[in-house]
Amino acid sequence: DGGITQSPKYLFRKEGQNVTLSCEQNLNHDAMYWYRQDPGQGLRLIYYSQIVNDFQKGDIAEGYSVSREKKESFPLTVTSAQKNPTAFYLCATTKLAGNKDTQYFGPGTRLTVL
Amino acid sequence: QKEVEQDPGPLSVPEGAIVSLNCTYSNSAFQYFMWYRQYSRKGPELLMYTYSSGNKEDGRFTAQVDKSSKYISLFIRDSQPSDSATYLCAMSERNNDMRFGAGTRLTVKP
Repeated sequence: DGGITQSPKYLFRKEGQNVTLSCEQNLNHDAMYWYRQDPGQGLRLIYYSQIVNDFQKGDIAEGYSVSREKKESFPLTVTSAQKNPTAFYLCATTKLAGNKDTQYFGPGTRLTVL
Repeated sequence: QKEVEQDPGPLSVPEGAIVSLNCTYSNSAFQYFMWYRQYSRKGPELLMYTYSSGNKEDGRFTAQVDKSSKYISLFIRDSQPSDSATYLCAMSERNNDMRFGAGTRLTVKP
């Protein structure tokens, strides 16, 4: 977990509601990522951002939105357009200087749609 | 065919056994290879990091990369109950395009 904080740890949502998951880091890392983890599947990339005010879609961006107004923060909004949002959501960061760094993960948020 | 294949297990071994975990991949451009350990309901933590082919050892853990066969392995010697977790392999061409295996669930029985 280190300097990456995700909140809340558990989140329940009714169908049709938008919810926002928080990710904050104090590692001074440049890039931030959101992944979704489902049982029996690898982590799938939703969105990533390498610099403030810029972000890119990952493999499964539909139904999600993000913002990167500060280097330390990369919130993820799960919209009502996401058809199957129940999953474990992981935020990750990496320092982009040099090629030897890799991604470090937060503790995750488990989202359940009721 | 998935870009990264990893047997999900579950794998159960007695304490003290040598554990072998493996992944295969299809993208020959991958050059960074990682193993993460994930305890239940927690985020993954980086265990081993390897660049290109070769072996890397850290305590009871050894990571091997065979790029010619597109095959990576993680060996755990003298396995302990505290090693019980899901192990994820990951690989990338650069930092922002990591691909993960599905994870292998390991249980080490006392």
